[in-house]
Amino acid sequence: KAGVTQTPRYLIKTRGQQVTLSCSPISGHRSVSWYQQTPGQGLQFLFEYFSETQRNKGNFPGRFSGRQFSNSRSEMNVSTLELGDSALYLCASSPFSQTNTEAFFGQGTRLTVV
Amino acid sequence: QQQVKQSPQSLIVQKGGISIINCAYENTAFDYFPWYQQFPGKGPALLIAIRPDVSEKKEGRFTISFNKSAKQFSLHIMDSQPGDSATYFCAAGMDSSYKLIFGSGTRLLVRP
Repeated sequence: KAGVTQTPRYLIKTRGQQVTLSCSPISGHRSVSWYQQTPGQGLQFLFEYFSETQRNKGNFPGRFSGRQFSNSRSEMNVSTLELGDSALYLCASSPFSQTNTEAFFGQGTRLTVV
Repeated sequence: QQQVKQSPQSLIVQKGGISIINCAYENTAFDYFPWYQQFPGKGPALLIAIRPDVSEKKEGRFTISFNKSAKQFSLHIMDSQPGDSATYFCAAGMDSSYKLIFGSGTRLLVRP
C-alpha cells in the first residue's frame, strides 16, 4: 500500500508570494490533516478535513487555508508569505473510524521563504 | 491545558541500554496517546499508541507505560540500538477529533 505522498518535496518562495502544497492520502483514508513543523514551535496542527469539510482548525492566521477534493486528496495554500512561514509542512491521513485515530504522515514539503 | 510536556530534550544511551522518555498532559479529555519516531528528512512514523484503559502496551522493544491518575505516560526502548537514534515525539488526541497535540520532542542518540 502506497504511503502518504506530498508534493513538491522542496520549495523556495519569496516574501509576499503565495504557495500551494499537495497531499495524496493512503488509499481508502478519508481524513487528511496538516501540520507545520519548525525548530522553535515543534509540530503544530493546522487543519483537518474529512469528506471535503474542514472539521478542525488550529491557531494560524487566515493566510493559511486548505481544501479537500472528492477523491480525498488535499491541498493547503499560504498567501502573502512571511519569512516565519519557512517550515516543514506535513500531511497525515487517517482511516475514518470512531475508534481509530492513527495518523500516518508523509515526508513533508520543506518550504523556504526568502 | 492543551499542552503536552515532554522530557528530556535530548538523551544519550549506550547500545543495549534502556531509553526512557516521559510526557505529561493536563486535559483529561485526551483518550489517545501515540508515540512517533522521526529521522532527519522524513516525516514522523507512528511507533506505538495507547488508550487510558490500559496501563502498559508492548510492541517488540517498545513499551508505553501509562499513569492515568498522574496524567503521565512514557516510552521505554529496551536493548537500544544505534538505528534507534532519532527524534521521538509523544502526542495526545481525542477520538472525537483527528487533531494531535505533540510534545516538543526528544533527540535520542544511541552510542555503539
